[in-house]
Amino acid sequence: DIQMTQSPSTLSASVGDRVTITCRASQSISIWLAWYQQKPGKAPKFLIYKASILQSGVPSRFSGSGSGTHFTLTINSLQPDDFATYYCQQYNSYSLTFGGGTKVEIK
Amino acid sequence: EVQLAESGGGPVKPGGSLRLTCAASGFTFSTNIMYWIRQAPGKGLEWVSAISSSSTYLYYADSVKGRFTISRDNAKNFLYLQMNSLRAEDTAVYYCTRDCSPSGDVPGGICDWGQGTLVTVSS
Repeated sequence: DIQMTQSPSTLSASVGDRVTITCRASQSISIWLAWYQQKPGKAPKFLIYKASILQSGVPSRFSGSGSGTHFTLTINSLQPDDFATYYCQQYNSYSLTFGGGTKVEIK
Repeated sequence: EVQLAESGGGPVKPGGSLRLTCAASGFTFSTNIMYWIRQAPGKGLEWVSAISSSSTYLYYADSVKGRFTISRDNAKNFLYLQMNSLRAEDTAVYYCTRDCSPSGDVPGGICDWGQGTLVTVSS
């Protein structure tokens, strides 16, 4: 099975900061990577697919990059609504795997 | 608007069974891969099972293989998860989710999530 490793597990930041979350796959997954945002008590929200394509309606301050085994999610100019937990997920096969999550909290 | 509504969760004793149901609407149900994803209290997301659009391909996480069965009824727009021999570690919110890919056989990320149904396995 493909393992996904996210870092950091927690990130403290201020409104207006630029933050970057890293996700590494245990083997190449090409660009078959998605990012999700989850707030407490809510279902995850789909942000990015194919590593870098923003889902419709997602603010342009979010961006994704990478291919193969190394991926990043960047949030430019962090907004109050962005404090949440973020997950990467590979879909190279039906057997999906998620990263452990990165909680973005207020500094 | 896509809607995914799970039901069937609740308390159950170890070794017991539950059947989760997901009622889907707002899209052509028969064209999408569907998944069950779970999240234990305070933990991350865990993929549980996948089913292709025509039920040709069924996949399970190692943690549930042999105990859980995924199925779907494309005529009625329902997704199911039969859970047997439940264990304490199966306690989680279970989400019904829809794959984004229009192909029905090749994964494309998870576009839509239900609100989840809580399964609690405890004696």
